[in-house]
Amino acid sequence: AQSVTQLDSQVPVFEEAPVELRCNYSSSVSVYLFWYVQYPNQGLQLLLKYLSGSTLVKGINGFEAEFNKSQTSFHLRKPSVHISDTAEYFCAVSDQGGSEKLVFGKGTKLTVNP
Amino acid sequence: NAGVTQTPKFRVLKTGQSMTLLCAQDMNHEYMYWYRQDPGMGLRLIHYSVGEGTTAKGEVPDGYNVSRLKKQNFLLGLESAAPSQTSVYFCASSSHGTSTYEQYFGPGTRLTVT
Repeated sequence: AQSVTQLDSQVPVFEEAPVELRCNYSSSVSVYLFWYVQYPNQGLQLLLKYLSGSTLVKGINGFEAEFNKSQTSFHLRKPSVHISDTAEYFCAVSDQGGSEKLVFGKGTKLTVNP
Repeated sequence: NAGVTQTPKFRVLKTGQSMTLLCAQDMNHEYMYWYRQDPGMGLRLIHYSVGEGTTAKGEVPDGYNVSRLKKQNFLLGLESAAPSQTSVYFCASSSHGTSTYEQYFGPGTRLTVT
């Protein structure tokens, strides 16, 4: 079974500052890793994913994440945030066995202040 | 394409009442999922389906039933609602075998049980 830990429940930052949202996972098998974003009163949409290959993956809206197998981490970063990045961010893991079920972390609420 | 749609958007039930939530997708996806989202808990998988006529339990299936009579629809039923089922329910779908592993989410149904 897999599990995901998002180390910060809330992250406040100022506009144009860099941000890192931390995610660690636990699994006995190889996994795929995802970051989803949820804007207020909306469903979730995919930001980026790691399936294989380069450990640095780039997503939409200027976000990127780095897969670190030895540290079982998949931290999300953005060099300069905007007010519009205010949202909740979820890290998720799926095993490579084909069921495609996602296990989500509890989420990190990013608030960008002017 | 409408993507993933959910009906209704909001509902208030009294304890013991029953209801059915409808999820529809127009992307010809094989896999469909029902999640519930509670504050500070992230998303938890209730039931999922890997094809028409097949369903399986997720992490929190108790008190819910599902049916997938048509490929494009996935129904979630509450036979006897309880206050603990107050939550936001999300449906998602994904296309198996395309190597994208992305789940597409609906806008959610906010259910309150009094």
